[in-house]
Amino acid sequence: QQQVKQSPQSLIVQKGGISIINCAYENTAFDYFPWYQQFPGKGPALLIAIRPDVSEKKEGRFTISFNKSAKQFSLHIMDSQPGDSATYFCAASKEAGSYQLTFGKGTKLSVIP
Amino acid sequence: DAGVIQSPRHEVTEMGQEVTLRCKPISGHDYLFWYRQTMMRGLELLIYFNNNVPIDDSGMPEDRFSAKMPNASFSTLKIQPSEPRDSAVYFCASSSLVPDTQYFGPGTRLTVL
Repeated sequence: QQQVKQSPQSLIVQKGGISIINCAYENTAFDYFPWYQQFPGKGPALLIAIRPDVSEKKEGRFTISFNKSAKQFSLHIMDSQPGDSATYFCAASKEAGSYQLTFGKGTKLSVIP
Repeated sequence: DAGVIQSPRHEVTEMGQEVTLRCKPISGHDYLFWYRQTMMRGLELLIYFNNNVPIDDSGMPEDRFSAKMPNASFSTLKIQPSEPRDSAVYFCASSSLVPDTQYFGPGTRLTVL
């Protein structure tokens, strides 16, 4: 059972454009939602994370939008740069009890000049 | 800190052979995670440890897989006997607070012929 659904699988954006990646979750007990960034040949690295007490979190060019009622969250990359080309994973977990991060399948982002 | 260290980075072996993957977590981190990444299934948590004790091994695919953490600075993931369907990238990650940031190693790319 896939508990976190991520879309699109791949995304091509022009330099300077906005990249948007969406995730939906099923388990209402999830209360921690991180995004990880992975470059080829490297392990994933935490990019930004949100907890459901806020609807939006911004760090530089990266913003998470969170919709608790719809059980959806998304990553927006403003002014996308070629250096942002990577695979992005959304994830979800419960802070108490289980410490398992459930990952989405990933989105391969290509930012073209 | 050197980050999470994994060895070997690449492993090619023949079906039926024993494979041992190694991980050194970041010093001071209490949690250690083993993940497997494939195109088909994405990132899957296999097992995680807290203070060297296995907490949840429900993701271990079958009895051919075993993991140990004899001390706070070393963990192994063993596959015996290996099969071609075990071919994947195996990541080790560690964290000091869960579900706070998990720091991933560079991964071991395993190919079973």
